[in-house]
Amino acid sequence: GAGVSQTPSNKVTEKGKYVELRCDPISGHTALYWYRQSLGQGPEFLIYFQGTGAADDSGLPNDRFFAVRPEGSVSTLKIQRTERGDSAVYLCASSPQAGAVQETQYFGPGTRLLVL
Amino acid sequence: KQEVTQIPAALSVPEGENLVLNCSFTDSAIYNLQWFRQDPGKGLTSLLLIQSSQREQTSGRLNASLDKSSGRSTLYIAASQPGDSATYLCAVIKNSGYALNFGKGTSLLVTP
Repeated sequence: GAGVSQTPSNKVTEKGKYVELRCDPISGHTALYWYRQSLGQGPEFLIYFQGTGAADDSGLPNDRFFAVRPEGSVSTLKIQRTERGDSAVYLCASSPQAGAVQETQYFGPGTRLLVL
Repeated sequence: KQEVTQIPAALSVPEGENLVLNCSFTDSAIYNLQWFRQDPGKGLTSLLLIQSSQREQTSGRLNASLDKSSGRSTLYIAASQPGDSATYLCAVIKNSGYALNFGKGTSLLVTP
């Protein structure tokens, strides 16, 4: 399978804990995006990577959220001091060329995060 | 701020019917518009992508149209099948942007 993969598929944590969500993009894709989808809503943009650097992190809701992509491939979304309102499905997408807006973004299955 | 609205929120039709899903957006300065399908517990699958200079795109039983000046797009599904049951999401990318801006989706149920 050559699609975008995300782990874990489900994560249950307690309020105040730290969580890490992982995304493996399609091999060779230089652009990577994180979105968050709350129940009954469409996905909302969080952050966009062009290679190793975060080209736009304007969608991150606050400084408890942080994402890295140290080698330009796998990305990790990190959430500190989780709150119940962070419960959502976190989606990762990738596309072949950085910043080529005409390209389709390929989405992973998402990580469903539940904060108790 | 770009707002994307999808109507109806939910739709139930018997198998074989043709149907139309609607999408509207407030800022016409878009680069392209995409329609996605989302199945429960699954990621998004791109169905059709329409560049801002195009009027429509077709793939099999699906046809999407775009009227950029009026801020509207429609997704037409011909001869619906139970396997078409899913949530359909419309998303736009603004000029010089890259982040998809999504509507809330239309939940479609096609009954046998």
